[in-house]
Amino acid sequence: KAGVTQTPRYLIKTRGQQVTLSCSPISGHRSVSWYQQTPGQGLQFLFEYFSETQRNKGNFPGRFSGRQFSNSRSEMNVSTLELGDSALYLCASSLGQGASGNTIYFGEGSWLTVV
Amino acid sequence: SQQGEEDPQALSIQEGENATMNCSYKTSINNLQWYRQNSGRGLVHLILIRSNEREKHSGRLRVTLDTSKKSSSLLITASRAADTASYFCAPAQRVQGAQKLVFGQGTRLTINP
Repeated sequence: KAGVTQTPRYLIKTRGQQVTLSCSPISGHRSVSWYQQTPGQGLQFLFEYFSETQRNKGNFPGRFSGRQFSNSRSEMNVSTLELGDSALYLCASSLGQGASGNTIYFGEGSWLTVV
Repeated sequence: SQQGEEDPQALSIQEGENATMNCSYKTSINNLQWYRQNSGRGLVHLILIRSNEREKHSGRLRVTLDTSKKSSSLLITASRAADTASYFCAPAQRVQGAQKLVFGQGTRLTINP
């Protein structure tokens, strides 16, 4: 059974541009969460989608957005990129919503560098 | 604020020795999950321990949970060079009505051959 798949793995963008990252959860999983990991802030929760609806949101500006499709695949978008957005973006999936009793599996991440 | 706080921040031991990493958290939890991360890679799920469990094993891994002390520990026995990685604990905390994982800065474990 395939794990959580994220694309692209690496990308470089220029300040002011926007970026879209994609995530395919484990087959049968309906929840997808996104995290940002930086050396300074560590792993920070961005948002969670379940059944195409955002269920939970972290403390990030509105430039960070996401969506989930009917097949549970998810995308996150960052608009008007800033240098500080350079990070490893991790997608995670689980069977049910939230972390209550659910094992949460992570993908390999997408490395974003903003120059 | 970060929920899971790992201790120590860095640990360096010889191959074959045991490695113990500790985690403390602040509020009541539903469960606590441990992860491993190799440099530049994603998180690998190791063990989920529920709040009503005290100990779980998986191969060379042993996790304990003490809810009265709000702490957990991860023990890796007979360490190998391949165990070199960062280890994170992630308590599942209820925030705004939803359970979510909140990560600490992790413990960077180095196994010396």
